[in-house]
Amino acid sequence: KAGVTQTPRYLIKTRGQQVTLSCSPISGHRSVSWYQQTPGQGLQFLFEYFSETQRNKGNFPGRFSGRQFSNSRSEMNVSTLELGDSALYLCASSWGYTSTNEKLFFGSGTQLSVL
Amino acid sequence: GESVGLHLPTLSVQEGDNSIINCAYSNSASDYFIWYKQESGKGPQFIIDIRSNMDKRQGQRVTVLLNKTVKHLSLQIAATQPGDSAVYFCAENIGDYKLSFGAGTTVTVRA
Repeated sequence: KAGVTQTPRYLIKTRGQQVTLSCSPISGHRSVSWYQQTPGQGLQFLFEYFSETQRNKGNFPGRFSGRQFSNSRSEMNVSTLELGDSALYLCASSWGYTSTNEKLFFGSGTQLSVL
Repeated sequence: GESVGLHLPTLSVQEGDNSIINCAYSNSASDYFIWYKQESGKGPQFIIDIRSNMDKRQGQRVTVLLNKTVKHLSLQIAATQPGDSAVYFCAENIGDYKLSFGAGTTVTVRA
């Protein structure tokens, strides 16, 4: 069974640009979550989607957005990139039927560098 | 009083010894906890989980202990191997479809 797949693996952008990251969940999983990982802040929750609906959003500015498609694949977008957006962006999937007691399975992440 | 293990950002352990990684969680309402292992260049990998109605759970070479009184979680790794070198995170789930992660402990195994 294939794991969570994230593309691209690495990305280099300049300030002011926008970026779109993609995530394919484990087959059958309907929930996709996104996390930002930085050395200073650790792992921070961005948002969670289930059946194309955002059920929760973390404390990030509106420049960060996401969506989920009918096949459960998800994308996140960051507009007007800032230097501080440089991070590893992790996608995780789960069955999604309960708000707790569910294991999240993570992809390898997209390493975004903003110059 | 009861002794509670401190969270250490790094842990160096001799190969073959047992490792204990500690984590303090923040929310007394948390009812589900997970330990993840993250190797360099990879995403967090699930190790073991425990629900709040349990105080101990064992897996293959790993044991998680939960002390709800002092909001403390620990991960014990038996007979630590070089492949156990990684960053270990505890995570708590209080609902709302998200996990809250601890700061992580970097474990280095000495040969």
